[in-house]
Amino acid sequence: DSGVTQTPKHLITATGQRVTLRCSPRSGDLSVYWYQQSLDQGLQFLIQYYNGEERAKGNILERFSAQQFPDLHSELNLSSLELGDSALYFCASSATSGRQEEQFFGPGTRLTVL
Amino acid sequence: AQSVAQPEDQVNVAEGNPLTVKCTYSVSGNPYLFWYVQYPNRGLQFLLKYITGDNLVKGSYGFEAEFNKSQTSFHLKKPSALVSDSALYFCAVRVNYGGATNKLIFGTGTLLAVQP
Repeated sequence: DSGVTQTPKHLITATGQRVTLRCSPRSGDLSVYWYQQSLDQGLQFLIQYYNGEERAKGNILERFSAQQFPDLHSELNLSSLELGDSALYFCASSATSGRQEEQFFGPGTRLTVL
Repeated sequence: AQSVAQPEDQVNVAEGNPLTVKCTYSVSGNPYLFWYVQYPNRGLQFLLKYITGDNLVKGSYGFEAEFNKSQTSFHLKKPSALVSDSALYFCAVRVNYGGATNKLIFGTGTLLAVQP
């Protein structure tokens, strides 16, 4: 158990809908990262937050957004969902934002868009 | 472009035999390299990392990795494979993304299958 929790575990929804994925980082970790894992794209970095502020953006679509709250938990919002958004979404955390730090991953949220 | 490559989609090895999962990288500057393992329906688990210093890095579950700067490689190894090692293995490199930020770039993953 990495100490990173994600809810829900599974999410099934329809095209055009909006969903929110939630992540609680390890106790004391200030950085939260979101990744998308799909068969065709592999593991892709989406976005990073550090202590409430956006730090880096990767291959995140404009329909997607995220935020990190004062208690350091984070939410990833996915809107106007398309079939291609079906994937496993991982949250990871690290103590700070240092390049040397390993990231600790949550169990993921499996999103299925029908 | 900075990248990491895992040339083998799958590696098959018999239990008790040594295993190697290959990874090569292409980055500017000094690479920070990581190995993660993903078991079915689970998140990624950190195995080991190379930051600087000794080229042979030891990690969890008896795994080790050898950093080779001239060959730009960071292969994962284990002297004696276990059936329970069967999983998906990812190599990753940490790159600068501007200022103090950075991100992990993952390889495509290698499925390790250990036969009893």
